[in-house]
Amino acid sequence: DTAVSQTPKYLVTQMGNDKSIKCEQNLGHDTMYWYKQDSKKFLKIMFSYNNKELIINETVPNRFSPKSPDKAHLNLHINSLELGDSAVYFCASSPTHRGLSGNTIYFGEGSWLTVV
Amino acid sequence: QKEVEQDPGPLSVPEGAIVSLNCTYSNSAFQYFMWYRQYSRKGPELLMYTYSSGNKEDGRFTAQVDKSSKYISLFIRDSQPSDSATYLCAMNPPGSARQLTFGSGTQLTVLP
Repeated sequence: DTAVSQTPKYLVTQMGNDKSIKCEQNLGHDTMYWYKQDSKKFLKIMFSYNNKELIINETVPNRFSPKSPDKAHLNLHINSLELGDSAVYFCASSPTHRGLSGNTIYFGEGSWLTVV
Repeated sequence: QKEVEQDPGPLSVPEGAIVSLNCTYSNSAFQYFMWYRQYSRKGPELLMYTYSSGNKEDGRFTAQVDKSSKYISLFIRDSQPSDSATYLCAMNPPGSARQLTFGSGTQLTVLP
């Protein structure tokens, strides 16, 4: 049973297209995230949602729009894709309560996006 | 200057060697320190988790935190080819996983 699952795993698309990546977690966590990992393996947070409410919105182009229909799902929609959007996008989740386990983040397997 | 600095490697060691992976940081508010392991084409998985200064051991892995020097380490004893992966350090202030900051990762290869 996959704890954090995201689809598609691989996506190749042309510049200018609009695409979505879906994410679901079955851990019962209240907080979900989208991270971007560039070619140098640097992981950077993009968005964070807590119980469907946007908590963190880092400086990303507004072509990126997260949507959380419920606390188990957080989808990422990208409009007008550009070459520089090529990266690996990771969905993640964490509990919200304070204490040790509240600080651990569980990642999905990643979605490899290539814009051509 | 990045908040978290990590030598990207790559690092190659023979099987059975002791591996030392390190990160330095600048934010004194960081109190939770983690090591994630990321295999090729996979997501990061939590390997070790420590709070504040000190050592924590889990099998062949030991995580060490020195807050006075703002320096953390991960030691792998008796390294195995299956340990070949990228290791990312991560850290955040108390009470919030949302402010988790990652190092850029060190690529490790353990040669049989």
